[in-house]
Amino acid sequence: AQSVAQPEDQVNVAEGNPLTVKCTYSVSGNPYLFWYVQYPNRGLQFLLKYITGDNLVKGSYGFEAEFNKSQTSFHLKKPSALVSDSALYFCAVRPLDSSYKLIFGSGTRLLVRP
Amino acid sequence: DAGVIQSPRHEVTEMGQEVTLRCKPISGHDYLFWYRQTMMRGLELLIYFNNNVPIDDSGMPEDRFSAKMPNASFSTLKIQPSEPRDSAVYFCASNSQREAFFGQGTRLTVV
Repeated sequence: AQSVAQPEDQVNVAEGNPLTVKCTYSVSGNPYLFWYVQYPNRGLQFLLKYITGDNLVKGSYGFEAEFNKSQTSFHLKKPSALVSDSALYFCAVRPLDSSYKLIFGSGTRLLVRP
Repeated sequence: DAGVIQSPRHEVTEMGQEVTLRCKPISGHDYLFWYRQTMMRGLELLIYFNNNVPIDDSGMPEDRFSAKMPNASFSTLKIQPSEPRDSAVYFCASNSQREAFFGQGTRLTVV
């Protein structure tokens, strides 16, 4: 079965420190990979995606993600966290079939303390 | 573009009542998705449309749920009759060739 795993329910970091939010996937082939962020009482906002090419993808708000094919991972990173980065982060994959549906992970709550 | 627009933002209804959630996708997008978000189950895909045609409704939990897309600019998700376990945030999303764009969701509470 196709799935996405976000092993951490919550990640706590201090402002100014680097952050990593982990994501691994189990999908056949080479899927498209996405990160979305959800702020309280809001919809999901697109952060970045990997389709092909350079394994390091840069996205919105200073976030980046590293694709690792051998480990089937797509971890989200940021060199210096901000308090305003505190939110719920979702990893998602889009299998390369004929559809455009996304398979989401369970989400990771990021808490950046001042 | 105003993005994906959902209405209402909040809905409180009594068990047994019919509930209709509405979505206006981004103009030009040919895919529309309905998701449900709960604490227990996370984000679940309920159904999606391509060019107004339902493609995959395997995520629709029961016959009480139905969705329509009468034209490219409007879709509805209906629950009849509603039950307390249907309480959740329902998201609509649309996309074309790129990433999906989400609406702000409808928070449904069935009492």
